[in-house]
Amino acid sequence: AQTVTQSQPEMSVQEAETVTLSCTYDTSENNYYLFWYKQPPSRQMILVIRQEAYKQQNATENRFSVNFQKAAKSFSLKISDSQLGDTAMYFCASLSNFGNEKLTFGTGTRLTIIP
Amino acid sequence: EAQVTQNPRYLITVTGKKLTVTCSQNMNHEYMSWYRQDPGLGLRQIYYSMNVEVTDKGDVPEGYKVSRKEKRNFPLILESPSPNQTSLYFCASSLVGRARRNEQFFGPGTRLTVL
Repeated sequence: AQTVTQSQPEMSVQEAETVTLSCTYDTSENNYYLFWYKQPPSRQMILVIRQEAYKQQNATENRFSVNFQKAAKSFSLKISDSQLGDTAMYFCASLSNFGNEKLTFGTGTRLTIIP
Repeated sequence: EAQVTQNPRYLITVTGKKLTVTCSQNMNHEYMSWYRQDPGLGLRQIYYSMNVEVTDKGDVPEGYKVSRKEKRNFPLILESPSPNQTSLYFCASSLVGRARRNEQFFGPGTRLTVL
């Protein structure tokens, strides 16, 4: 079974600054996928970034990047030049490459961008 | 527009009154799933379906039923709702196998309150 841990329930940062959200996971599989989802006040689940475990290169999507440390089972999200629209709940999630396609989610980090 | 729709978006009901939350996707996805989101617990899988007429339990299936008679629809049924089923519910869908991009598309969520 996979587990995902987010140890920061809440964070806040000034607009335009950089913030890093932490995530650790546990899995016995060699191939899997990791995701960060954003949930703004509208409650919609929005995919921010994905990482395939067999790819060593860290994924990036514009201002969003990850620091994927496979040996340490760590998958942190860095948001650069933070904007007010980044205010949201952020969930880290893992997906097994086998079985029931279940996304295993962490408990989330509530991020507030301060004007 | 590719999307997952859920209805209703909000529902307040009373204990024991059967209800159905509908979910429909227009992307011809084989895989569909239901999650519930509770504070401090993240999202947890209730039931999933790998294809038509194929359904199976997730992590928290007690008190729920599902059916998959058509590829596009995956309704969630609460035969006798109880207050501990008060939650935010998400339906999700994706491709499976090599065709997948490993991204699950989420519906807008259904806020259910059981009094």
